[in-house]
This record gives sequence, structure tokens and C-alpha cells, in this order.
Amino acid sequence: GENVEQHPSTLSVQEGDSAVIKCTYSDSASNYFPWYKQELGKGPQLIIDIRSNVGEKKDQRIAVTLNKTAKHFSLHITETQPEDSAVYFCAANSGYALNFGKGTSLLVTP
Amino acid sequence: EAQVTQNPRYLITVTGKKLTVTCSQNMNHEYMSWYRQDPGLGLRQIYYSMNVEVTDKGDVPEGYKVSRKEKRNFPLILESPSPNQTSLYFCASSLSSTGGSNEQFFGPGTRLTVL
Repeated sequence: GENVEQHPSTLSVQEGDSAVIKCTYSDSASNYFPWYKQELGKGPQLIIDIRSNVGEKKDQRIAVTLNKTAKHFSLHITETQPEDSAVYFCAANSGYALNFGKGTSLLVTP
Repeated sequence: EAQVTQNPRYLITVTGKKLTVTCSQNMNHEYMSWYRQDPGLGLRQIYYSMNVEVTDKGDVPEGYKVSRKEKRNFPLILESPSPNQTSLYFCASSLSSTGGSNEQFFGPGTRLTVL
């Protein structure tokens, strides 16, 4: 099945800096790439997603880029704030299923 | 309030004692799914359901059963739990039957310990 690799596994940045998380996928038929944020003790929550017909999508401080040829996509968070600290998961669809990366623990220090 | 609910939230049991974790959504969603989350392994899909009476295996279905007799409920059944099923379990739902290609809404999680 689909294999989604995510890097880095941990990321520490200072408040105000940018954070970038990268993912690769293996199924060339994948066409939906969401990003989820999981805060401590809660279930994951969708923060942004991108479909294969676009190369970039932005929502305020969050942006996602997709390179279908290289089969990789990235999450960019600008002007990070302490409340951005959480675990972030990328995912890619494969048929009716959704395959997640192993997650990135982001820490934003004041 | 639109939500996915899971019960119980915490469960400690012993090897071999059958258990059921319930999942219910009040959003009239077509698609429902179960995931397990383990340290260093991320979220792995156990089973999913595209509609009533339609289910399929995810990446890690061994040792689990599901049923989808009604649209709102999608229970996860462990017939004979083993310690390697100790994990944090999440139920999720999505509006469209092609849930893998649309936003999924996650429940709060069930932390299961099998001794």
C-alpha cells in the first residue's frame, strides 16, 4: 500500500521563525494530501489540504506545496507562535484509505 | 454540537477478554474509520467503512473486527485482545463515502491497555 515518509520527527524553532515539514509518498495515484494538527490529549484536526490539481495553497500563516513529479509535499508555517506547538501529520490517500506519516513534534519556544 | 464520540475513553483489560469500543457520529457522514496511534509509528488505519454494510481493511486489520449496521455507529471489536493491541485508538468520520479524499473528523480517542 501507500507509504508516506515524514521528516523531521522533531522540530524546535523560536517564536517568529518559520517551520517546514516535508513528506514523500509512493502511490502515484494519490491525489489528496491533507495535514493534521494534534494537540496534547486530543484527536487530530485538519489544518490544510491540497489536491493534485494545484501546486500550492495558503491559509494565513500556513501554506502547503505539492510536487507531483517528485512525489513530495511540504507544510510551511510562518511567524510561528507558541500555540503552534503540537504534533503534525501529513497524509496521502490511496483509494478509499488515508495513509499518514509518522508525525512531527513541533516545539515553538518563546 | 457536531462531533464524533467514543466510549470508553480509557480501558484496562486482560488478554483474551472480548471488548468493544463504540464510535458514533451525529453529522450524517457516509465514511467512518478506525486508527491506532503508537509512539514512533504515527496513525495507522485499521478498518474503514464507505457506507452502511460496506467495510474494508486498512493497513493493520489483524485482531480487529468492525461492523456498520447503521450510518451513525461504527464499533471496533477485539475478540481476543493481546498486549500488542495496547494503543491509543481514534475513530473518524467524513461526509463523503470517499473519505480518504476528504476531511476526516476525529473523535477524542480511547486509550486501551491490555495486560
